[in-house]
Amino acid sequence: EVQLVESGGGLVQPGGSLRLSCAASGFTFSTCWMGWVRQDPGKGLQWVANINPDGSQTYYVDSVKGRFTISRDNAKNSLYLQMSSLRAEDTAMYYCIQWLNTAVDVWGRGTTVTVSS
Amino acid sequence: QSALTQPPSASGSPGQSVTISCTGTSSDVGGYNHVSWYQQHPGKAPKLMLYEVSKRPSGVPDRFSGSKSGNTASLTVSGLQAEDEADYYCNSYAGGGSLYVFGTGTKVTVL
Repeated sequence: EVQLVESGGGLVQPGGSLRLSCAASGFTFSTCWMGWVRQDPGKGLQWVANINPDGSQTYYVDSVKGRFTISRDNAKNSLYLQMSSLRAEDTAMYYCIQWLNTAVDVWGRGTTVTVSS
Repeated sequence: QSALTQPPSASGSPGQSVTISCTGTSSDVGGYNHVSWYQQHPGKAPKLMLYEVSKRPSGVPDRFSGSKSGNTASLTVSGLQAEDEADYYCNSYAGGGSLYVFGTGTKVTVL
């Protein structure tokens, strides 16, 4: 069964840092584009970041550039999102995603990040 | 990168059809045939319903169809069923440094 399981969410103060992890199973992780999508509570979806199969190319939505870093460890079938200088507007459910061509084929269940003092 | 524009809500009776629009620009929807649609039930992760404008993944009923004209893509749900009541989001490839943009979302209600 194809599965993505996120972890690492929680409550963090503004300006703080957090590292999200995503454990992948059931598919050949090292050949897939991966990414993160977030959803504000009760609101819409926002694409956050993508990374290519070997980790050499990364892309970010403008609002997180310079603050977030997406990375992967193909040996561990794991995806990461290092988030720093967190703001209240980063509060959201963060989904780990697998891309198939240009569509999100698989979604994790999400991990909640709350930025508040 | 601005979100793609969708109507906030749409509705129809069981058996009827509902169509949801997704309007972008020539830099996203109009520039590429890489529009996908997602269904999200409350408290659940989204599910891919259509990709590359009109292609259905395995397991998605053929009641779901898609099209595109200019800068606007559309999702049509025919023969509405109670389980189709959900939020629907479009997504488009946008190129450049910020690759993808989602729509604002549409809540579909089955009356």
